[in-house]
Amino acid sequence: IQMTQSPSSLSASVGDRVAITCRASETIDTYLNWYQQRPGEAPKLLIFAASHLQDGVPSRFSGSGSGTDFTLTISSLQLEDFATYYCQQSYSSGTFGQGTKVDIK
Amino acid sequence: EVQLVQSGAEIKKPGESLKISCAGLGYTFSDKWIVWVRQMAGKGLEWMGMVNPADFDIRYSPSFRGQVTMSADESTAYLQWISLKASDTAIYYCARRVFSDYDRHNWIDLWGQGTLVTVSS
Repeated sequence: IQMTQSPSSLSASVGDRVAITCRASETIDTYLNWYQQRPGEAPKLLIFAASHLQDGVPSRFSGSGSGTDFTLTISSLQLEDFATYYCQQSYSSGTFGQGTKVDIK
Repeated sequence: EVQLVQSGAEIKKPGESLKISCAGLGYTFSDKWIVWVRQMAGKGLEWMGMVNPADFDIRYSPSFRGQVTMSADESTAYLQWISLKASDTAIYYCARRVFSDYDRHNWIDLWGQGTLVTVSS
């Protein structure tokens, strides 16, 4: 199963609403997770099963979608959110998207 | 504290062998699969495969089958190369996979700090 994220990168300002999309090459129901990776750090789980917020993750992060199309939304971008985001399908083994880098405009 | 602690950075020459480790602390290690993820410099995350410490079942991603060997014992997971190549230069993460028996959803909830492997002549 191939995972394609868009955009590959985006520039945004603090307070902006940001949406990152992830498309699966075949249907994966809601077997989709989102991770954040800051430079020099290991990835961190944000959302599991497409829409479930991991404990301790701020509520400005949300996930939606099912089947082949998914979205990660950050409602009001904060400084600490400038990072790279990856989707990962967990329907069949595990495949990551290529990542979306969010940087400061 | 629940954590995965990986072995330190390695510098190797092409053709050499290597085994890196990932120790689980603060939880029952055999309860959850361990996933290995590669990240080459400036690139994204690649799912290499996973090992079940409970029964040593191993599932390789097709891209990595035959290139590496995964194993585990009661407290530690391992990733091994017989003959390294320059293209193996990367950070390797181990990570803990959570599995829900209720709906079969699964995700990675805990990551090691990563092991940088550099292969250069």
